[in-house]
Amino acid sequence: DSGVTQTPKHLITATGQRVTLRCSPRSGDLSVYWYQQSLDQGLQFLIQYYNGEERAKGNILERFSAQQFPDLHSELNLSSLELGDSALYFCASSVGLAGAGNEQFFGPGTRLTVL
Amino acid sequence: QQPVQSPQAVILREGEDAVINCSSSKALYSVHWYRQKHGEAPIFLMILLKGGEQKGHDKISASFNEKKQQSSLYLTASQLSYSGTYFCGTVNYGGSQGNLIFGKGTKLSVKP
Repeated sequence: DSGVTQTPKHLITATGQRVTLRCSPRSGDLSVYWYQQSLDQGLQFLIQYYNGEERAKGNILERFSAQQFPDLHSELNLSSLELGDSALYFCASSVGLAGAGNEQFFGPGTRLTVL
Repeated sequence: QQPVQSPQAVILREGEDAVINCSSSKALYSVHWYRQKHGEAPIFLMILLKGGEQKGHDKISASFNEKKQQSSLYLTASQLSYSGTYFCGTVNYGGSQGNLIFGKGTKLSVKP
């Protein structure tokens, strides 16, 4: 158990819908990262927050947005869902920034299926 | 810039050795290695921060050649538990240095 929690574990929805994925980082971790992993694909970096502020953006679609709240939990919002958005979404947290040598702890992931 | 991992897949017998490479077209600030079992979350293995740094944990070690902009992960006397997909994540100079960009992974299968 990494200490990072994600809810829900599974999510099945229809095209065009909107969903929210939730992540609670490990106690004391200020940085939260979101990744998308499609079937047998690598980890695509979406976005990073550090202590409530957006720190870095990857290949995140305009239909997707995220935020980190004062209690440091984070939410990833996916809207106008398409079939291709079906994937495993991971949240990870770390004490500080990756460049400073901080390891990331990954949550169990949310498996999103868009029908 | 996404790092390139090689090989894409490797099959070993228990006790054999393997090397997984990770290279970047941009100057690397640090390299992070993770292992992921199917359907599970990636697990941290090690971080290499300095050029020339080498680290090891049990029979898994890694090196970082800053000049060649590459890192290698060495698995010695492989065990069944080593099976999984190995990802390198890199931090490049000039970027935010806050996030990792992961390679596409190397799938390692260890057979009895």
